[in-house]
Amino acid sequence: ETGVTQTPRHLVMGMTNKKSLKCEQHLGHNAMYWYKQSAKKPLELMFVYSLEERVENNSVPSRFSPECPNSSHLFLHLHTLQPEDSALYLCASSLSGGLAGGIEQFFGPGTRLTVL
Amino acid sequence: AQSVTQPDIHITVSEGASLELRCNYSYGATPYLFWYVQSPGQGLQLLLKYFSGDTLVQGIKGFEAEFKRSQSSFNLRKPSVHWSDAAEYFCAVGAPSGGYNKLIFGAGTRLAVHP
Repeated sequence: ETGVTQTPRHLVMGMTNKKSLKCEQHLGHNAMYWYKQSAKKPLELMFVYSLEERVENNSVPSRFSPECPNSSHLFLHLHTLQPEDSALYLCASSLSGGLAGGIEQFFGPGTRLTVL
Repeated sequence: AQSVTQPDIHITVSEGASLELRCNYSYGATPYLFWYVQSPGQGLQLLLKYFSGDTLVQGIKGFEAEFKRSQSSFNLRKPSVHWSDAAEYFCAVGAPSGGYNKLIFGAGTRLAVHP
C-alpha cells in the first residue's frame, strides 16, 4: 500500500450503532487529520494529531472520538450519530512543524458514511 | 482572519477550450498556496503548490497557476481541457496554527466538460 488509505470506503449505520473509521499513512509523516465533507459545505477540519498528540479539536460533538495510537494510524470512533452526520470523511497526513516542509497534506480516498 | 474565496461554484467548458479557475485569499503574511482536485467519490489530490520564488508554478496534468500578490490571487489555468478534467477543484492557503500547519480551503469550483 502506498499513500494514505482509509477503510471502510462505505459505511451505513443506524443511529444507535458504534463503528470506527480507520486511516493509515505509508508516507513517514507524523501529523494526521480528520476532515468532514458535506454536500454544499466547505471542508471542515475536525481533529489534528501531531506527533501522536491531539493539537486541534474544532468543537466537534463528543459522538466523534478520535484515536491516534501511533504516527501511522488514525481512527475515528463513532457512536449515537445523527442523520446530519452523513458525509464523506477524509483523512490526511503531513509532516509536522516547519512551514514549507510540513504544510502539504496528502489525502486518503475517504469513507462515505450514511446514518439512517 | 485567513480565508479563501473561489467565486465560481460551477464552471462548464467545452473539451479543448482553455480554463481559468479563480482563487482569492486573505492572509497577512507570505502565503503558502495550493490547488487540489477531487474526482467524484475520491479524496483530494494535490495539483500544484506555491511556496516562494517563481510566481508561475507548474503542476500535474498540464495545470499551472500564477501567484499575484497585488491581487491576492492564485488562479488555476489549463490551455486545453480534457473530458477527464471534470472534477471539483479546491484552492487552499497554508497557515501555522499552534503546533501544526493548517490548510484553509475554499468552497470549491465544480468543473463540467462538454464533449
